[in-house]
Parts: sequence; structure tokens; C-alpha cells
Amino acid sequence: QQQVKQSPQSLIVQKGGIPIINCAYENTAFDYFPWYQQFPGKGPALLIAIRPDVSEKKEGRFTISFNKSAKQFSLHIMDSQPGDSATYFCAASRRDNYGQNFVFGPGTRLSVLP
Amino acid sequence: ETGVTQSPTHLIKTRGQQVTLRCSSQSGHNTVSWYQQALGQGPQFIFQYYREEENGRGNFPPRFSGLQFPNYSSELNVNALELDDSALYLCASSLPLGGASTDTQYFGPGTRLTVL
Repeated sequence: QQQVKQSPQSLIVQKGGIPIINCAYENTAFDYFPWYQQFPGKGPALLIAIRPDVSEKKEGRFTISFNKSAKQFSLHIMDSQPGDSATYFCAASRRDNYGQNFVFGPGTRLSVLP
Repeated sequence: ETGVTQSPTHLIKTRGQQVTLRCSSQSGHNTVSWYQQALGQGPQFIFQYYREEENGRGNFPPRFSGLQFPNYSSELNVNALELDDSALYLCASSLPLGGASTDTQYFGPGTRLTVL
């Protein structure tokens, strides 16, 4: 129930394309869903996050779509650029008596070709 | 770049040894979480510290332990190192508990530990 599934494992798109990365969760207690971007040799950096009371959130070229009934959420990258080539992780968290507990997906390696 | 710093950057140890990794949280953050990221995988939650107390723990054995200091910096200690402990160890800090902003975790660059 604590697992977050993520697909695809890797993705190759041309510059300007719209890569889509999908995640699914089981635990309905999760109440916060962030996406992180990680470059080689660096720690993950927060891109965008959503709560289950909204179905979509946009920040710049990044959009999260959230489907509460299906327990799925996805990241769309508009007008992708070679600089977007990185590994992307979805995560889910819930607040309990012990603070915020984050569960990460296994990651998607994105390559944007020039 | 976040304000979270970690040291050392890289570390090589042999099986059975002990290791201490260090993390300085972003200014104003009093919650620090530690994660283990094996090659090609997502980060796995080890534990979290809030105001110098352990505040939640993932599925890691007791030989993984930690400390948080009054200035909110933190240490991760691993005893009796095993080959499978080879990974990137990430520290993340977050804002004080009690508001929506506490959900955002800011990660440091990590410490790459290799166990031979």
C-alpha cells in the first residue's frame, strides 16, 4: 500500500515534444503529490506538486494531471528542451503523527533529442 | 540550488566499518529527513528528525541511526557496513511542522558511499 508505481522507465522525445510520465498509488491516505527532477550527481529538486483537491496544476512548462478516483497522476512537459533531460521521480506523502512520510516512484529517465 | 549541504561528497569504506554522514539544513528548517538512493532507483526513506528527536522511520535496521543538533544540522550513522549499503545518501530539510508549506522537502546533493 505504500508503493508508488511509475512508468515508463525511460522515455526519448524530440525537442518540442510533450513527454508524459505516469504514476499510480494505492494508499488513499496520501495527500500530497510532488514531482522531482534529478540530474546526474545532484540531489532531487522539486518541480511541481499537487494536492488531491484539484485535478490539474500548471507551473511554466510543467503540468500535473491528477485523477483521484483512479489514484493516478501524471507529469506533462510542454515544449520539451534538451536541458530537460534528467531523471524524474513522482512521490506521495501523508501527514501522520510522525510528520511527513514520502514514498518515491522508481524514476523515469527522460532524454530530449535536439 | 537549495541551501542544504552534505559532507563528504564521496566516501569509500570496507565491509564491517562504520560511517558518519553530515547534513546542514536550509536556514530556518528544523526538520531533516534522510534517504538512501540505490543506483537506478528512487530515494527510500530512512528516518526523519524534528527538534532533535527521531520523528518517523522507514524500513531500515537499527544499525542506521541518526542525530540532530540544536542548530538543526544532522548526522546519519551506519554501523557494520554491508555491500548493499553502497548508495547515494540524501538529506532533505523542510519548513517547521504545522502548515502546508511543511510538505516541501529540499534535498542536498548527497553523499556517494561505496562499500567494498
